[in-house]
Amino acid sequence: EAGVVQSPRYKIIEKKQPVAFWCNPISGHNTLYWYLQNLGQGPELLIRYENEEAVDDSQLPKDRFSAERLKGVDSTLKIQPAELGDSAVYLCASSFPGANVLTFGAGSRLTVL
Amino acid sequence: AQSVTQPDIHITVSEGASLELRCNYSYGATPYLFWYVQSPGQGLQLLLKYFSGDTLVQGIKGFEAEFKRSQSSFNLRKPSVHWSDAAEYFCAVLPYGNKLVFGAGTILRVKS
Repeated sequence: EAGVVQSPRYKIIEKKQPVAFWCNPISGHNTLYWYLQNLGQGPELLIRYENEEAVDDSQLPKDRFSAERLKGVDSTLKIQPAELGDSAVYLCASSFPGANVLTFGAGSRLTVL
Repeated sequence: AQSVTQPDIHITVSEGASLELRCNYSYGATPYLFWYVQSPGQGLQLLLKYFSGDTLVQGIKGFEAEFKRSQSSFNLRKPSVHWSDAAEYFCAVLPYGNKLVFGAGTILRVKS
């Protein structure tokens, strides 16, 4: 089966520009996560979806970050406007509802100049 | 404060030597415990997990980990390291009813 698919894998933008990342979870995985991984650190949860509902977005900086999962499958994470400190890897993961094991995508590496 | 600690930022071992990566956590009750591996440019791959039962768990790629409740530790081990094991390793904990929390990671270098 296909894993968690993320795109783009790499993105370089100038500060104040917008950027969007896309994630397609494993089929049947109704729970979807977006994680932020800064250089030299472990991933940190940004938002968790159960189907199309964001059930935990407490760590999402809502002034510039937004996410959506309109049909409960694919998800998009957007940053507008991007800042230098947003340079990081954005990881998407998915799981069955209530499952304790997450499957991660390869990540989207963002560089903000 | 609740946390996950991986004391070693970098570890270098010779190929064929044994490996132990340390992980300590501070949570009131025993959480679910995981080890993930991340190769350069790749996502995280689950190596093994502990939920309950036997405190020595076997994972993929010849890795194992031992849960020690008295030490709040979940150290990862491998008897003989291969050059392909060079990667970054993350310990993660899932406190009951909460969200997955990762340690800062340990970068493993393998010298030939």
